[in-house]
Amino acid sequence: AQSVTQLDSQVPVFEEAPVELRCNYSSSVSVYLFWYVQYPNQGLQLLLKYLSGSTLVKGINGFEAEFNKSQTSFHLRKPSVHISDTAEYFCAVRKGSGGYQKVTFGTGTKLQVIP
Amino acid sequence: DAGVIQSPRHEVTEMGQEVTLRCKPISGHDYLFWYRQTMMRGLELLIYFNNNVPIDDSGMPEDRFSAKMPNASFSTLKIQPSEPRDSAVYFCASSFYRDGGGYNEQFFGPGTRLTVL
Repeated sequence: AQSVTQLDSQVPVFEEAPVELRCNYSSSVSVYLFWYVQYPNQGLQLLLKYLSGSTLVKGINGFEAEFNKSQTSFHLRKPSVHISDTAEYFCAVRKGSGGYQKVTFGTGTKLQVIP
Repeated sequence: DAGVIQSPRHEVTEMGQEVTLRCKPISGHDYLFWYRQTMMRGLELLIYFNNNVPIDDSGMPEDRFSAKMPNASFSTLKIQPSEPRDSAVYFCASSFYRDGGGYNEQFFGPGTRLTVL
């Protein structure tokens, strides 16, 4: 079974500074990877996803993530954060083949943007 | 489309009472998920359905919890009797999978915040 680890539970960063949220996964087979964002008092919404092809994936709101198979990582980055990026971010993984597969979510990273 | 709809948005009840949470998935989606989110345990998958049939309910914490999906546009999660430790935000999500397309992106509802006193 696959699993996903988000080592940082909270990440404070100043406005307009760059940020990286880390995600590592474990799986013996190919995977699909996702980043979701949860704004306060809302449900999760998809930021971006990696299915295949280019390892650099661009998402909404200026975020991007890079799939690194050798390091089993899928870190999320943004070159300059805004106050409105304050939210919780979840990395998720599922097996990349074999019909429908359950998605496993990480424990989340709270991004706190400081003015 | 209006997205995934959940009701009520907030529920406050007393211990021992029955609680029913409702969800309307996005039209055309054939997978429906119930999650629970707490500070202590994070986001937990409780159960999911495919074409109205429960596929995996291994995340349902106890027999006090039950979920049904009588048709493609409606699902309920019931807790009877409720306990204070059930206090959490419950999310419903829907998804679709098609060979050659639809890769399990889940669309989440706004959640129901349940408080059991």
